[in-house]
Amino acid sequence: NAGVTQTPKFRILKIGQSMTLQCTQDMNHNYMYWYRQDPGMGLKLIYYSVGAGITDKGEVPNGYNVSRSTTEDFPLRLELAAPSQTSVYFCASTEGRAEAFFGQGTRLTVV
Amino acid sequence: AQTVTQSQPEMSVQEAETVTLSCTYDTSESDYYLFWYKQPPSRQMILVIRQEAYKQQNATENRFSVNFQKAAKSFSLKISDSQLGDAAMYFCAYRSPYSGNTPLVFGKGTRLSVIA
Repeated sequence: NAGVTQTPKFRILKIGQSMTLQCTQDMNHNYMYWYRQDPGMGLKLIYYSVGAGITDKGEVPNGYNVSRSTTEDFPLRLELAAPSQTSVYFCASTEGRAEAFFGQGTRLTVV
Repeated sequence: AQTVTQSQPEMSVQEAETVTLSCTYDTSESDYYLFWYKQPPSRQMILVIRQEAYKQQNATENRFSVNFQKAAKSFSLKISDSQLGDAAMYFCAYRSPYSGNTPLVFGKGTRLSVIA
């Protein structure tokens, strides 16, 4: 039972580069989220999706893009990486009245 | 928009003692879910306990229990018989059941230290 799988676990990017953080869940959840966690802080919502083909902005969407072509996958795209995007990124999913299930996180450093 | 406030950035407790972590939230909804998550140094987010707003009975999971005061919009976590493995960041979270609202909102966290 894989749950929520995030890749990669670590990544170093140079300023201006782009990358995609992958997130896949095998629980058939409709709700999926992307959060970022800065050092010593809580989680801030970047984007979320309530089902395939539907996405919406969260609290801190600038500099990111998402897509949801299938129920299972919810990739997060960083265009023109900036040092302010250095953070730990979490993907999560949920359904119904259940709690959110989290991936193991991606530690991203932009230098 | 809903907000979650954890007013204690850091707490400490002696091993085997009891500690209570505070959480308050702001919402106009009558139905919602509340959660406590634990984040150890491994970064993994681990569900500790959950509470559904329509249930008046406080949730309990082994050494972890909550004091849910709906009118006061308060949701504190009590850890009994604290163990070294309880040392972690603890996040309180609110989830709306309505798809049009921000689905899961976190507080800033409380870092719990356990002293041997």
